[in-house]
Amino acid sequence: AQKITQTQPGMFVQEKEAVTLDCTYDTSDPSYGLFWYKQPSSGEMIFLIYQGSYDQQNATEGRYSLNFQKARKSANLVISASQLGDSAMYFCAMREGNDYKLSFGAGTTVTVRA
Amino acid sequence: GAVVSQHPSRVICKSGTSVKIECRSLDFQATTMFWYRQFPKQSLMLMATSNEGSKATYEQGVEKDKFLINHASLTLSTLTVTSAHPEDSSFYICSASRTGGFNEQFFGPGTRLTVL
Repeated sequence: AQKITQTQPGMFVQEKEAVTLDCTYDTSDPSYGLFWYKQPSSGEMIFLIYQGSYDQQNATEGRYSLNFQKARKSANLVISASQLGDSAMYFCAMREGNDYKLSFGAGTTVTVRA
Repeated sequence: GAVVSQHPSRVICKSGTSVKIECRSLDFQATTMFWYRQFPKQSLMLMATSNEGSKATYEQGVEKDKFLINHASLTLSTLTVTSAHPEDSSFYICSASRTGGFNEQFFGPGTRLTVL
């Protein structure tokens, strides 16, 4: 079974608008961590934001926020005030328990239009 | 802090040759490093987990004799693609984990391998 599901292969967003990238996960471990990474065309993986399973508050980092709905097992990424430089592929990933290993979703390509 | 480098960034080789890719954690010690493979517009596929001083743990379907991994020190892991063939052409990315924090992985910039 897929541990991380990203159902949006590609999305277009107008500059300065917000965009939500969906991510659902599947785990039976009560302790887990959820990550979002950005991969521009250069290929580097850029860490954006982290949410721990026991965190009470939704994580935020600048223009990035994570909408964590534990009961629904979803961890959607919201990018506010999109910029042209946000055009990239975005991956949701999960770490379970004390394991450092990450399970990645299929990714969502975001294209920001001027 | 938490910088991971990879060398080379690009390599083109002839079919049948071996290629070595280095992954270094520059400012921290990494007891565990990971090697991923990524095809165009696809997700990262974990190939193996590399632990310093011990044998790598390979994911199902990854040939350990084809992809040799050595983690000789706390700051260096190498991936050697032996007898490379065109189907081995891919983007190879390493990451290193550091204890503490989120237990997050820090990624190298990747190596694009083209086998002619």
